[in-house]
Amino acid sequence: SQTIHQWPATLVQPVGSPLSLECTVEGTSNPNLYWYRQAAGRGLQLLFYSVGIGQISSEVPQNLSASRPQDRQFILSSKKLLLSDSGFYLCAWTSGNMYQETQYFGPGTRLLVL
Amino acid sequence: DAKTTQPTSMDCAEGRAANLPCNHSTISGNEYVYWYRQIHSQGPQYIIHGLKNNETNEMASLIITEDRKSSTLILPHATLRDTAVYYCIVIRNTDKLIFGTGTRLQVFP
Repeated sequence: SQTIHQWPATLVQPVGSPLSLECTVEGTSNPNLYWYRQAAGRGLQLLFYSVGIGQISSEVPQNLSASRPQDRQFILSSKKLLLSDSGFYLCAWTSGNMYQETQYFGPGTRLLVL
Repeated sequence: DAKTTQPTSMDCAEGRAANLPCNHSTISGNEYVYWYRQIHSQGPQYIIHGLKNNETNEMASLIITEDRKSSTLILPHATLRDTAVYYCIVIRNTDKLIFGTGTRLQVFP
């Protein structure tokens, strides 16, 4: 069965510090991978998605970046965090088929920037 | 978490209103109704959400029944670009999202 992992689960970082969040998927190959952010009381916002190794599409301008060094690994990074980067970060995957019945999300990382 | 039931597919003529129903009979008091859609090869796109009152934004309107056991997403003037899978999700704000089967809306000319 497929599983998706994210770490760390929670993170408190000072403004201006770097960030690295990791997401890995097991039990599938060549997944589409997504990074989302959910700010408190808001809907889910798509940040990045990737259809393959080294292929990253950015949905919104920001000081975050994403990389996909391996087929089932997706990394979210920042060189200098802003207060507005606080939120709940979710990684998700699909098989790449539009009619995939379920998009699977990881457990998420709660990031608080102080 | 409350579960939702949506029709598998719907068709709508371009320019007409698309009304997408969702049943969530086991919803609890602190759970919101969220709607997302997924256009081919893209991640889910947030559309609208609500708790008790009807909501409207630039994309759609959300009508929630008084007992909160069902809701309807309304796209007032559907266009071909609205063709997508629409997901009704009932969650608390801190929950992990799990997308079910959704409704495949096909808008035709």
